[in-house]
Amino acid sequence: GAVVSQHPSRVICKSGTSVKIECRSLDFQATTMFWYRQFPKQSLMLMATSNEGSKATYEQGVEKDKFLINHASLTLSTLTVTSAHPEDSSFYICSAGTGGADTQYFGPGTRLTVL
Amino acid sequence: EDQVTQSPEALRLQEGESSSLNCSYTVSGLRGLFWYRQDPGKGPEFLFTLYSAGEEKEKERLKATLTKKESFLHITAPKPEDSATYLCAVQVAGAQKLVFGQGTRLTINP
Repeated sequence: GAVVSQHPSRVICKSGTSVKIECRSLDFQATTMFWYRQFPKQSLMLMATSNEGSKATYEQGVEKDKFLINHASLTLSTLTVTSAHPEDSSFYICSAGTGGADTQYFGPGTRLTVL
Repeated sequence: EDQVTQSPEALRLQEGESSSLNCSYTVSGLRGLFWYRQDPGKGPEFLFTLYSAGEEKEKERLKATLTKKESFLHITAPKPEDSATYLCAVQVAGAQKLVFGQGTRLTINP
């Protein structure tokens, strides 16, 4: 159990375009989902926390107008990178939990390359 | 400020050579401590959750322990397939998010 999927696994786009990444909890209801980015050989950096049905909470320094997060249901959250630039190229990973002091289960990640 | 420090940054062992990875934490109040394994190009895979000092959990060749200031991940007689980055994270009391350490890159040579 506790499987989280992400789609797509890889995406290459041109500078200035927008990219949407989906995160789904397949066998449980996720009241809370988290979005991270990870640079090579570095640890995970939390971008935002989203609770189903409410606005996401962004970490300091993360532009909420650039990284749009929607958590429309208990099994789906989306991250849209708007007007992507090469510096947005990274590995984006989502995680999902049922809230409280509960384990977060991670998706397989999405590799974004902006040309 | 809540902080998690893992050591060593990297560790190379021979197959069968047991060792331990350390995770030291400074938090205002601990809700839970988590260990994950991450392979290159993949998302972290959940290993253990520890909630209180003195708690221990085991899974195959791995054993995690917790004190009030640190956690250890003991690996016994490792195999090459145990090679990965091991991440430690803490959840602070009253918060949902995890604070991650920088990870330990473990390489097991055959």
